[in-house]
Amino acid sequence: AQSVTQPDIHITVSEGASLELRCNYSYGATPYLFWYVQSPGQGLQLLLKYFSGDTLVQGIKGFEAEFKRSQSSFNLRKPSVHWSDAAEYFCAVPSFRGSTLGRLYFGRGTQLTVWP
Amino acid sequence: GAGVSQSPRYKVAKRGQDVALRCDPISGHVSLFWYQQALGQGPEFLTYFQNEAQLDKSGLPSDRFFAERPEGSVSTLKIQRTQQEDSAVYLCASSPGRASGAETQYFGPGTRLLVL
Repeated sequence: AQSVTQPDIHITVSEGASLELRCNYSYGATPYLFWYVQSPGQGLQLLLKYFSGDTLVQGIKGFEAEFKRSQSSFNLRKPSVHWSDAAEYFCAVPSFRGSTLGRLYFGRGTQLTVWP
Repeated sequence: GAGVSQSPRYKVAKRGQDVALRCDPISGHVSLFWYQQALGQGPEFLTYFQNEAQLDKSGLPSDRFFAERPEGSVSTLKIQRTQQEDSAVYLCASSPGRASGAETQYFGPGTRLLVL
């Protein structure tokens, strides 16, 4: 079965610093991969997704992620963090039901704190 | 357009009470998912509908949990005889469900359930 590992439970960075959040997946074939963000008291908002093609994916809010098959990774990056980026970040991989996507398997999340 | 909505946003129940959580998906979305998110954890899959058909309920933790989507639109998650371990955020997500392999799940804000 698919699984996702986010090794870092909590990361703290200063505003303006660069950010990298790690995600490793376990999947038998070329995966589809997602990054979601959750602000306190809110649902999950899609940041970006990888389905195929270019391994560097651009998302909203200045985020990007790079799919590396050799490392089974899909790390999320941002060159300069803003205080409003403080939130919890989830990496996810879907199952397949025929040709459609089914349930998502989520990592446990990485809590990002941004110092002013 | 309108996103996924959930009601109530907060629910406090006494142990043993029954609760009903409602999800209004994005109009026209075929697929609907329920997830449970315990404090400090990633969302865990509960159940999945395609239109009115419940195609996967493997994530429901016990027979006290029941979900329905009778007309293929609004869905209700019912928890009977609530227990303290049911305290969590319940997230609903919908997706177009097209057989393109590229659909994304859009999440509602969640219902935070506290069982006393």
